[in-house]
Amino acid sequence: DQQVKQNSPSLSVQEGRISILNCDYTNSMFDYFLWYKKYPAEGPTFLISISSIKDKNEDGRFTVFLNKSAKHLSLHIVPSQPGDSAVYFCAASRKGYQKVTFGIGTKLQVIP
Amino acid sequence: NAGVMQNPRHLVRRRGQEARLRCSPMKGHSHVYWYRQLPEEGLKFMVYLQKENIIDESGMPKERFSAEFPKEGPSILRIQQVVRGDSAAYFCASSPPGADLYEQYFGPGTRLTVT
Repeated sequence: DQQVKQNSPSLSVQEGRISILNCDYTNSMFDYFLWYKKYPAEGPTFLISISSIKDKNEDGRFTVFLNKSAKHLSLHIVPSQPGDSAVYFCAASRKGYQKVTFGIGTKLQVIP
Repeated sequence: NAGVMQNPRHLVRRRGQEARLRCSPMKGHSHVYWYRQLPEEGLKFMVYLQKENIIDESGMPKERFSAEFPKEGPSILRIQQVVRGDSAAYFCASSPPGADLYEQYFGPGTRLTVT
C-alpha cells in the first residue's frame, strides 16, 4: 500500500527553466510533508517542508505547494540548475511522530 | 562535526549468513532511525531508537531482523539468515532530542547484496 506516490520516475528540464515535481498521498492523517534530495552514493538530504496548515512554503529557488483537498503537493524549482540533478523524494508524516513515509522518487535531470 | 556514519558501505553475504550494519549518529544526536530502500522503491521506515530503547519498530519485519542502540557505541541493525529479498540499501538517520521531522540527518547508506 503506497501512501505517498510519485508517478513520474524521471524528468528532464533545460537549465534556467522551471522544474515541477509532483506527489500525491492517500493517507488523510498526514499533516506534515517534506522533500528530500538524493545524489548517488549519498543519503537523502532535507530540502523543504510544509505543514498542512499552509498551502505554500518558499525557500530561495524552491517552493512547495500543498493542495489538501486533492491530496497533492508539488515542488517547484526555479530557475533550475545543473547541480539540481538528483533524485527527489516526497515524504509525509504526522506531527508528533518520527516515522516518515517516502515516495519512490523522481529523477530530475537539468540539461545545461 | 562529522555527519552520520554508516559502515560498511557495501556488504556481500551468502544466503543464510548474518549481516550487521552499523550506524554512528552525529555528535549530540541520541535518536536513530533505520530505513530500507528496496530496488525501484522509496525508503521505508523500519525502526526508531533512542539510547537503549526501541521507540517504534512498526516497520521491522517480524523475523530475522533486530536493532539496538546501546549506551555506548553505534546502533546496529542485525539481519539473521539473510535471503535474496534482503538485498537493499539500508539508511540510518539521526536527530537530536526534541527535533522536528526535518532534522533527521541521513547517512550514506549500506548496500547489502545477498548472493
